[in-house]
Amino acid sequence: QSALTQPASVSGSPGQSITISCTGTSSDVGRYNFVSWFQQQPGKAPQLIIFDVNKRPSGVSNRFSGSKSGNTASLTISGLQAEDEADYRCSSYTNIRTYVFGTETKVTVL
Amino acid sequence: QVQLQESGPGLVVPSGTLSLTCTFSAGSMTEHYWGSWVRQPPGRGLEWIGEVSHSGTTNYNPSFMSRVTMSMDQSKSQFSLTLSQLTAADTAVYYCARGRDYVWWNWGQGTLVPVSS
Repeated sequence: QSALTQPASVSGSPGQSITISCTGTSSDVGRYNFVSWFQQQPGKAPQLIIFDVNKRPSGVSNRFSGSKSGNTASLTISGLQAEDEADYRCSSYTNIRTYVFGTETKVTVL
Repeated sequence: QVQLQESGPGLVVPSGTLSLTCTFSAGSMTEHYWGSWVRQPPGRGLEWIGEVSHSGTTNYNPSFMSRVTMSMDQSKSQFSLTLSQLTAADTAVYYCARGRDYVWWNWGQGTLVPVSS
């Protein structure tokens, strides 16, 4: 099972919106609405910020939103803040009962 | 807040076996919850190794199928990972996570396991 494809880096100025894509196949992202997004700070564990494509866990800022179209899921960060600078990864359930992660996107706040 | 904590050896030798334990908040791995192991080699992406249910049912990544074993011990509030036939490529930070309905809700802080002679 190949990793989901994400852009290596995305940047934006404070207050702007950015979108990170996560491209899979019809066996994972395109087949199930079990797409999650994680924020990971250096040396820290991943933190869940979006699940089931577009749902936010309690306590996660509503500046984070998710969507999906076909085999591609997307994470949008609105009103970009300095604290959003981190690595972001997507994950998806697959048709062979496994999970696959994205390749990681480094978000830089200019 | 549910907490998980990985524990295990600081170093493992090539061709050896890695044994890790994840201790979770008592009573938090109830029906419908699964304990997963995920690893992250230095500078690389996350890789799902497998999962074990509250009752001990397992589901492994085919990439590890021949050399992985996971188990659940509710009496100790722990689940474990055993990975054999280790090589340098298995050097990674190993995370345990608690999941339900295809979502990992809680993660341990991770433990670095170098594979080296």
